[in-house]
Amino acid sequence: DTEVTQTPKHLVMGMTNKKSLKCEQHMGHRAMYWYKQKAKKPPELMFVYSYEKLSINESVPSRFSPECPNSSLLNLHLHALQPEDSALYLCASSQDQRGGSYTDTQYFGPGTRLTVL
Amino acid sequence: AQSVTQLDSQVPVFEEAPVELRCNYSSSVSVYLFWYVQYPNQGLQLLLKYLSGSTLVESINGFEAEFNKSQTSFHLRKPSVHISDTAEYFCAVIGNSGYSTLTFGKGTMLLVSP
Repeated sequence: DTEVTQTPKHLVMGMTNKKSLKCEQHMGHRAMYWYKQKAKKPPELMFVYSYEKLSINESVPSRFSPECPNSSLLNLHLHALQPEDSALYLCASSQDQRGGSYTDTQYFGPGTRLTVL
Repeated sequence: AQSVTQLDSQVPVFEEAPVELRCNYSSSVSVYLFWYVQYPNQGLQLLLKYLSGSTLVESINGFEAEFNKSQTSFHLRKPSVHISDTAEYFCAVIGNSGYSTLTFGKGTMLLVSP
């Protein structure tokens, strides 16, 4: 089973709202990722967690706050977003057998389509 | 650091015709290579990957890609496409040593028409 699930599928929020995106995998993977994808563009890496610890933050604004409560779950907390943050947010996971190498195959979820009004 | 070039942003083709989607990469270290497919309004699905061993890799739905180290290429081919193959295809690369994260090409939209 190579399934990564994401909820919600769609989210519309105002600029003053607080919301969260959720990601879950049950493949025993120890690396989890958040990507942002704008229309007609490739995914852009935002954050990487390795063994439940934040290991990479690609200079993402603080209005995006990631959280990894356990090895199967990854959240992305959203606060005071801007309309330009509207995008497809993708979660991915990989085995990360060597702890921080990230060379293992990444499996992606279906994404959350976020619209900021 | 690595980089990926997908020269064709869009490839139109008729159903049952063959297709090749081109991917070239640049890296100072050895790499692992991937093709992902994204159907409209969906996430990315792994299509196939090259990690080591045979340079020709195949997917379950008829696609194949060949790793060519001398030409630094990993082109994707299918001998006969279907309407359902219409999607965005991303080539991606990651260095297999040192600090490295997955680097995507800009994508190629495959448009299959009847």
